[in-house]
Amino acid sequence: GAVVSQHPSRVICKSGTSVKIECRSLDFQATTMFWYRQFPKQSLMLMATSNEGSKATYEQGVEKDKFLINHASLTLSTLTVTSAHPEDSSFYICSARDPDRAGYTFGSGTRLTVV
Amino acid sequence: GENVEQHPSTLSVQEGDSAVIKCTYSDSASNYFPWYKQELGKRPQLIIDIRSNVGEKKDQRIAVTLNKTAKHFSLHITETQPEDSAVYFCAASASGGSYIPTFGRGTSLIVHP
Repeated sequence: GAVVSQHPSRVICKSGTSVKIECRSLDFQATTMFWYRQFPKQSLMLMATSNEGSKATYEQGVEKDKFLINHASLTLSTLTVTSAHPEDSSFYICSARDPDRAGYTFGSGTRLTVV
Repeated sequence: GENVEQHPSTLSVQEGDSAVIKCTYSDSASNYFPWYKQELGKRPQLIIDIRSNVGEKKDQRIAVTLNKTAKHFSLHITETQPEDSAVYFCAASASGGSYIPTFGRGTSLIVHP
């Protein structure tokens, strides 16, 4: 099946700094990618839908100026957490439609810890 | 929008027993229902899926059933093994548009050896 590569897998940063997370579709083109946030023992919360060549669509309650999404190519979407605070610490994971089947394939996730 | 309810939140079984996880959805337009298994700190992995034109699908020890009229679908795992222990998520989505899935809250399955 299709593979989505996500980096970094873990990152620790200081409060006030920015962190960039990358998701790449390795063997297929992804015009749309989804960014999720997952708190411990909770479900996947959709943050935004990333569209290649256009602005991302953010879910209600998600600050677009804080969580910057860029989908500059058909194989790369990035999520930048700007001016990170400890409450931004979470597991961030991206997803794309699997072109070989109707499901979705997920990146490996990024564990962000803001200290 | 779509609303997916998943039960139970926690399920504890003995090795060899069966486990059943149930989900309901609200949007009658939903026609694709995948199930994901997520181990701690790892990505969700698709384990089985079903489309609305099928009532049941089976893959070895895993099966999924769908009742479109009642808008509910279930995951059945038979002969459970300790390695089945994980969090399982159901999801529902509609064809067309961007296929944005709505996930259930997840079920933590614990299989005791």
